[in-house]
Amino acid sequence: QKEVEQNSGPLSVPEGAIASLNCTYSDRGSQSFFWYRQYSGKSPELIMSIYSNGDKEDGRFTAQLNKASQYVSLLIRDSQPSDSATYLCAVRNSGGSNYKLTFGKGTLLTVNP
Amino acid sequence: GAVVSQHPSRVICKSGTSVKIECRSLDFQATTMFWYRQFPKQSLMLMATSNEGSKATYEQGVEKDKFLINHASLTLSTLTVTSAHPEDSSFYICSAPQPGPTDTQYFGPGTRLTVL
Repeated sequence: QKEVEQNSGPLSVPEGAIASLNCTYSDRGSQSFFWYRQYSGKSPELIMSIYSNGDKEDGRFTAQLNKASQYVSLLIRDSQPSDSATYLCAVRNSGGSNYKLTFGKGTLLTVNP
Repeated sequence: GAVVSQHPSRVICKSGTSVKIECRSLDFQATTMFWYRQFPKQSLMLMATSNEGSKATYEQGVEKDKFLINHASLTLSTLTVTSAHPEDSSFYICSAPQPGPTDTQYFGPGTRLTVL
């Protein structure tokens, strides 16, 4: 069974700090990786996607992928209270249904003013 | 990013009635859409894959006769919760992958169903 595991959290950081969110996956053939943010009572919104080993930066967000270790992470620099949400790691598995994603259970992040 | 809409955003109904939820991709065509359910403080649970022009594919444990899915066109999928009961009360979210090199999946805003 293809699995995606996230650090359980909840994670609490002070405003201005770096928040680090981690995710591991079991399907070694996975090629596409996504981070979604979900505010309470809302649907997930895409934050970052990453497909190649290394780092990908977008504003205050940096996604890191290491396929050899089957590990993907999301760093949030200069964390703001508005970043407080649940962050979902999603992996598009190899083979199987088109586009189907496997989601982790999410990590709840709280940024304290 | 791409836009996916859902209607209605919120519905309250009596036990035993059927409820239809629409999911539309507004600026791209989607041959595949996904339907998820999320209970409070729990993770997303994939219910089924909606396929344009063919039958939906249901995840294990999801009753296909209870959750009817119709992918009527390349921009519209509907989920009908038949004979709804209080235990069906949940947050129902659809998503659609935007065709292209990244196949990024975008979510609709969700429909909160409350069955009395």
